[in-house]
Amino acid sequence: KAGVTQTPRYLIKTRGQQVTLSCSPISGHRSVSWYQQTPGQGLQFLFEYFSETQRNKGNFPGRFSGRQFSNSRSEMNVSTLELGDSALYLCASSLVSPGAGANVLTFGAGSRLTVL
Amino acid sequence: KNQVEQSPQSLIILEGKNCTLQCNYTVSPFSNLRWYKQDTGRGPVSLTIMTFSENTKSNGRYTATLDADTKQSSLHITASQLSDSASYICVVSDADSNYQLIWGAGTKLIIKP
Repeated sequence: KAGVTQTPRYLIKTRGQQVTLSCSPISGHRSVSWYQQTPGQGLQFLFEYFSETQRNKGNFPGRFSGRQFSNSRSEMNVSTLELGDSALYLCASSLVSPGAGANVLTFGAGSRLTVL
Repeated sequence: KNQVEQSPQSLIILEGKNCTLQCNYTVSPFSNLRWYKQDTGRGPVSLTIMTFSENTKSNGRYTATLDADTKQSSLHITASQLSDSASYICVVSDADSNYQLIWGAGTKLIIKP
């Protein structure tokens, strides 16, 4: 079965612009989580959506937002881009809550954003 | 504050050797502890998931151990291969916070031929 698909894989933007990243989860998975990873840093949790509702949110400014559609696909948006937003943005899907029980979290390949 | 700390930060070993990576956490109560492998520029891949009642779990050459009393876990890699070069991340599920995952910063492992 198809894995988690993220688009685009690479993109370059300039400061002040906005960007939208897309994530298609594994079929049947209802939870989608987003993470930011900057060079040499661990994964920083952005937010988690389950059945179109945001269930958890990390410590990021309001410029970072997301949503989930009825087919479980998710998008995240970053407005007024800053140089520090350059990072690998990872999406992960799971059947239910990503941290519950032995629920496996499956990641996509990521979207690498460069802000100039 | 719930934390997950990993050591060492980086490690270089020769191909064929064994190594052990450490994870200490303060998350309490916790639901489960996971180890992920992340190749450079790729998404993490799950290696093991252990609940609080499990002491050890293996996945091929990878063996994870868990001591819930001391809040420590280790990942042992046997007979390392060049493809084991990656970052290894320890993650703990916070049972008190809607099972939010608390991520460690990872150990960067380099296998040299």
